[in-house]
Amino acid sequence: DIQMTQSPSSLSASVGDRVTITCRASQSISSYLNWYQQKPGKAPNLLIYAASSLQSGVPSRFSGSGSGTDFTLTISSLQPEDFATYYCQQSYNTPRTFGQGTKVEIK
Amino acid sequence: EVQLVESGGGLVQPGGSLRLSCAASGFTFSSYAMNWVRQAPGKGLEWVSYISSGGATVYYADSVKGRFTISRDNAKNSLFLQMNSLRDEDTAVYYCATFTGMTNYWGQGTLVTVSS
Repeated sequence: DIQMTQSPSSLSASVGDRVTITCRASQSISSYLNWYQQKPGKAPNLLIYAASSLQSGVPSRFSGSGSGTDFTLTISSLQPEDFATYYCQQSYNTPRTFGQGTKVEIK
Repeated sequence: EVQLVESGGGLVQPGGSLRLSCAASGFTFSSYAMNWVRQAPGKGLEWVSYISSGGATVYYADSVKGRFTISRDNAKNSLFLQMNSLRDEDTAVYYCATFTGMTNYWGQGTLVTVSS
């Protein structure tokens, strides 16, 4: 199985900050990488698919980059509604493994 | 509007069984592979099982292999997860979901609690 490792596990940031979350795969997954946002008590919501494609309806302050084994999710200017937990997921093969999550908290 | 609605969760004793259902609407269910994903309280997301669009191919996480069975009824737009020999560590919210490129739908989840 492909292991997905996110860093950091948590971070504190202020509204307006630029935030970067990284995800590393244990083997090359080309660009088969999704990013999700999850708020408490809710299902995950897809932000980015294919490593850098913005899902319809997602604000443009979210962006993704990377290929192979190293990927990044960037929030260009953190908004109050962005405080949540973020997960990466590889869609290269089954099982579609997830990273352990990054909790973005208010500083 | 796309909807995935899970049901069948509840409290069960260790060693017991439950059958989860997921009713799909608003998209061509029979065209999509489906998955079950779970999330233990305060923990991250764990993929549990996969079934191909026609039902011929299935996969399971090692943690549930031999105990859980995924199935689907495309005529009734429904996905199922039969869970046997339940353990404390199976306690989680169970989501049905499809994730294929930009097509990414999730249900609201159903809580399974395994406890004596």
